[in-house]
Amino acid sequence: SQTIHQWPATLVQPVGSPLSLECTVEGTSNPNLYWYRQAAGRGLQLLFYSVGIGQISSEVPQNLSASRPQDRQFILSSKKLLLSDSGFYLCAWSPPGQGQPQHFGDGTRLSIL
Amino acid sequence: SQQGEEDPQALSIQEGENATMNCSYKTSINNLQWYRQNSGRGLVHLILIRSNEREKHSGRLRVTLDTSKKSSSLLITASRAADTASYFCATALYGNNRLAFGKGNQVVVIP
Repeated sequence: SQTIHQWPATLVQPVGSPLSLECTVEGTSNPNLYWYRQAAGRGLQLLFYSVGIGQISSEVPQNLSASRPQDRQFILSSKKLLLSDSGFYLCAWSPPGQGQPQHFGDGTRLSIL
Repeated sequence: SQQGEEDPQALSIQEGENATMNCSYKTSINNLQWYRQNSGRGLVHLILIRSNEREKHSGRLRVTLDTSKKSSSLLITASRAADTASYFCATALYGNNRLAFGKGNQVVVIP
């Protein structure tokens, strides 16, 4: 069966520090991969998605970047965090193709001080 | 980009009652999906209904889709305390790898 791992679960970082969040998927090949951010009590904002290694689509201009160095690995990064980067970050995968159900990790709660 | 919008935003019911929530969208869709999110956790996919389907069941869940009104409803029958969560609808457009999520609908089931 397929599983998705996302870590860390919580993270507290100072303003201006770098960020690296990692997400890996097991049990499937060539998945679509997604990074979302969720503000408290709000819906999901799609940040990046990828349909293959090295293929990244950015949805909103921001202080963040994403990379997909391996088929089942998706990394969210920042060189310098802003206070506005605080939030709940969720990684998800779906089978290849359009309109497929997405399967989410347990998220990372990021607090910027 | 298109987004689903759930209505009502918050719902509090007694255990055993039915919970109904609605979702509206603006453009033609490939399919519509419903997800559940427990507090502090990731979303869990519940059910997918295609644009050519009108109703779908899964256990205690019943989803309807009215493409002429661009709306969907999710019914949870005989609710349980464990159904307490936020519920999101998400729309998939043709030719698109993304889903557009609504803001969510918080449901509290009182034991």
